[in-house]
Amino acid sequence: DSGVTQTPKHLITATGQRVTLRCSPRSGDLSVYWYQQSLDQGLQFLIQYYNGEERAKGNILERFSAQQFPDLHSELNLSSLELGDSALYFCASSVRISGANVLTFGAGSRLTVL
Amino acid sequence: AQTVTQSQPEMSVQEAETVTLSCTYDTSESDYYLFWYKQPPSRQMILVIRQEAYKQQNATENRFSVNFQKAAKSFSLKISDSQLGDAAMYFCAYRESTLMNRDDKIIFGKGTRLHILP
Repeated sequence: DSGVTQTPKHLITATGQRVTLRCSPRSGDLSVYWYQQSLDQGLQFLIQYYNGEERAKGNILERFSAQQFPDLHSELNLSSLELGDSALYFCASSVRISGANVLTFGAGSRLTVL
Repeated sequence: AQTVTQSQPEMSVQEAETVTLSCTYDTSESDYYLFWYKQPPSRQMILVIRQEAYKQQNATENRFSVNFQKAAKSFSLKISDSQLGDAAMYFCAYRESTLMNRDDKIIFGKGTRLHILP
């Protein structure tokens, strides 16, 4: 158990629908990152939050949005879903080790859009 | 923009042998961090090893070591005495180091799938 909790583990939905993925970071970690991993692909950075504020934005579609709440958990909202949104969505939180932010990943949420 | 390139989509190695996975990156920064992550079939992302660019000494973690060539912007991972449990996708990753540490996203390569042959 990495300490980063993601729910749900699996989600199957239809095109045009909206889903929310939830992430609870490790205790004490202030940063939350969201990554998308499509089938057999690398990890695409979506967005990062630090203590409730958006810190960095990557290749996140306008149909996607995220936020980090005062208790530091984060939610990734995916709307108007398309077949191509099917992917594994990872949340990670970070702890500073010797100056480097080391990411600790959750187990991922697998989204299937039919 | 920073990029991370892993030129070997797949590799195979005999059990107990040594294998080296390649990674190159592009950056104009002088201070940064590099990582190798492992993703086994369970899909869990696991940190294998990290390297600070200001350190000349190559990082080592048990059977895993890196060959960090800063001038060449190369960061390869060597796995010694390969074991069946090492079979996984391996991702090289880069993070810029900034004083303010405001934007500390980590960029990943596309990965190398490593097969261990019994």
